[in-house]
Amino acid sequence: SQELEQSPQSLIVQEGKNLTINCTSSKTLYGLYWYKQKYGEGLIFLMMLQKGGEEKSHEKITAKLDEKKQQSSLHITASQPSHAGIYLCGADNNQGGKLIFGQGTELSVKP
Amino acid sequence: EAGVTQFPSHSVIEKGQTVTLRCDPISGHDNLYWYRRVMGKEIKFLLHFVKESKQDESGMPNNRFLAERTGGTYSTLKVQPAELEDSGVYFCASSQDSRTPITYGYTFGSGTRLTVV
Repeated sequence: SQELEQSPQSLIVQEGKNLTINCTSSKTLYGLYWYKQKYGEGLIFLMMLQKGGEEKSHEKITAKLDEKKQQSSLHITASQPSHAGIYLCGADNNQGGKLIFGQGTELSVKP
Repeated sequence: EAGVTQFPSHSVIEKGQTVTLRCDPISGHDNLYWYRRVMGKEIKFLLHFVKESKQDESGMPNNRFLAERTGGTYSTLKVQPAELEDSGVYFCASSQDSRTPITYGYTFGSGTRLTVV
């Protein structure tokens, strides 16, 4: 079965610094999703990547899927306290089925 | 548009009792999913409904868990009898059809935090 490994598990950065979170799959990724969760809230969809080499951006967050489609990275530029939360990568079979999740990366941004 | 709604938001019950969680998906969404996160572990898939039919229930842990979606609208997840290891956060998600997640992702509810004591 497919497994997703996220690194690091937790991250503390100073406000204004850049950071990267990685998500590595044990199998080829068909659809890779990035979500953010704040404590007590649901998962907020950030973006979805499908094609090898694809890159998407939303505000200061950029996600990439490597050419081999087995690793994705999430990059935050000039981090802010509002970026704090748990970032989760998820993979599906690209047919609207279940998601497999990584264990999450907890991000803290110090003002 | 209202999002995915779950209630209760928190539930504390004693071992052996029964608890029923409810999920109201976004109106018109045929696909409804249940997930669970237990302490220290990743979020895991439990069940997928397409309308009122169970498309995939491979993640249901055992027969103490019963999910229903009568009429293809809201869904309930009942745990009977609850055990200590059932504690965790139960999430519900929905999507309109198989193509929607590509653009909009799966829409998740805020979850129900279940504590079995």
